[in-house]
Amino acid sequence: GNSVTQMEGPVTLSEEAFLTINCTYTATGYPSLFWYVQYPGEGLQLLLKATKADDKGSNKGFEATYRKETTSFHLEKGSVQVSDSAVYFCALSDGAGANNLFFGTGTRLTVIP
Amino acid sequence: EAQVTQNPRYLITVTGKKLTVTCSQNMNHEYMSWYRQDPGLGLRQIYYSMNVEVTDKGDVPEGYKVSRKEKRNFPLILESPSPNQTSLYFCASSSHRDLNTEAFFGQGTRLTVV
Repeated sequence: GNSVTQMEGPVTLSEEAFLTINCTYTATGYPSLFWYVQYPGEGLQLLLKATKADDKGSNKGFEATYRKETTSFHLEKGSVQVSDSAVYFCALSDGAGANNLFFGTGTRLTVIP
Repeated sequence: EAQVTQNPRYLITVTGKKLTVTCSQNMNHEYMSWYRQDPGLGLRQIYYSMNVEVTDKGDVPEGYKVSRKEKRNFPLILESPSPNQTSLYFCASSSHRDLNTEAFFGQGTRLTVV
């Protein structure tokens, strides 16, 4: 079956620190991988995605590379800001005829000045 | 502006009193779905719909119903709510033409069943 395992939180970092949030997956077929972000009181927004092995998704300084050999899609940012404080969800879509997303449990990031 | 609109945003109800959470999208998307978000469990899919009059169960459908009579609307119905359905609910939509496309989420409905 399909599942996503995500690094437990919460994570607290100082501004300008380096961020890594680990994500590994199990999937049948050839999934697409996503990172969604949820700011306080809001719905989820797509942060970045990768649709095939070795693809790198990037947006707003965040990056993640689709690693098929390690079944991973770790999120990284070189220098976090206070405005990056949010909950981050790793997700996969198995593309098996429907746009069903399978989510990790989410990682809450707090960036302190 | 492209958006998914859920109503209400907050709802407190009593056990057994039927309720409906509405969801509407203005992007002409074929695909819509409902998720519930619970601490430590992430988002779990309740039901989804690939088009008008086509719905199917997700991972946690028990206690919920949906309908898709129009392309833009996908209401979630709780016929007899129970306290274990207290949760944060999200509706999402996406275009079915591209299976890897972005899903757009509503702002959420926080439901409390007492």
